[in-house]
Amino acid sequence: IAGITQAPTSQILAAGRRMTLRCTQDMRHNAMYWYRQDLGLGLRLIHYSNTAGTTGKGEVPDGYSVSRANTDDFPLTLASAVPSQTSVYFCASSDSVLLFDYGYTFGSGTRLTVV
Amino acid sequence: KNEVEQSPQNLTAQEGEFITINCSYSVGISALHWLQQHPGGGIVSLFMLSSGKKKHGRLIATINIQEKHSSLHITASHPRDSAVYICAVRQGTGNQFYFGTGTSLTVIP
Repeated sequence: IAGITQAPTSQILAAGRRMTLRCTQDMRHNAMYWYRQDLGLGLRLIHYSNTAGTTGKGEVPDGYSVSRANTDDFPLTLASAVPSQTSVYFCASSDSVLLFDYGYTFGSGTRLTVV
Repeated sequence: KNEVEQSPQNLTAQEGEFITINCSYSVGISALHWLQQHPGGGIVSLFMLSSGKKKHGRLIATINIQEKHSSLHITASHPRDSAVYICAVRQGTGNQFYFGTGTSLTVIP
């Protein structure tokens, strides 16, 4: 089934540890995104990539890094986790050509707790 | 600062009712996105629009660019429509959207 796979689905992480959230899509979409969702706040963009080989900073990039070595994968790394990074993380993708017809496809999310 | 405001925050309706969820924004936009987040957390893209009106099944989305306002309507509501409905806007030509905090809808049988 075409879509986005995120892993892990949930994780409890000790503060100071390094963690990579994985995101893989099989739709050959050009653009990919990482969002975090916190109670009482809307989804906020962390980083994005318009095409393989390029990345950009979103609204809340501090403490996070991304890479886009190929079209399918867009991992998000927390170099040294802090409790304020406790959140639900969503990966999404879009085809820039068909954006107005199909919008975004979202992964099922990763629930991360930093203790 | 949230440039996207949704109303109401919470909405309870009886099955079969016509539902309207509103989204207002304060900046010029190039596109507006309506999404649905299921109780389990999964997010589905419903509509992307920049003008006029779009319809898909029982869902209708409208946008008034001059008034900086969009509405999402659900006709003949059903308990399976219970979800959080999220509005997001894009400024300019980039892919970045700014999201509202959502409207939580509960449809009672």
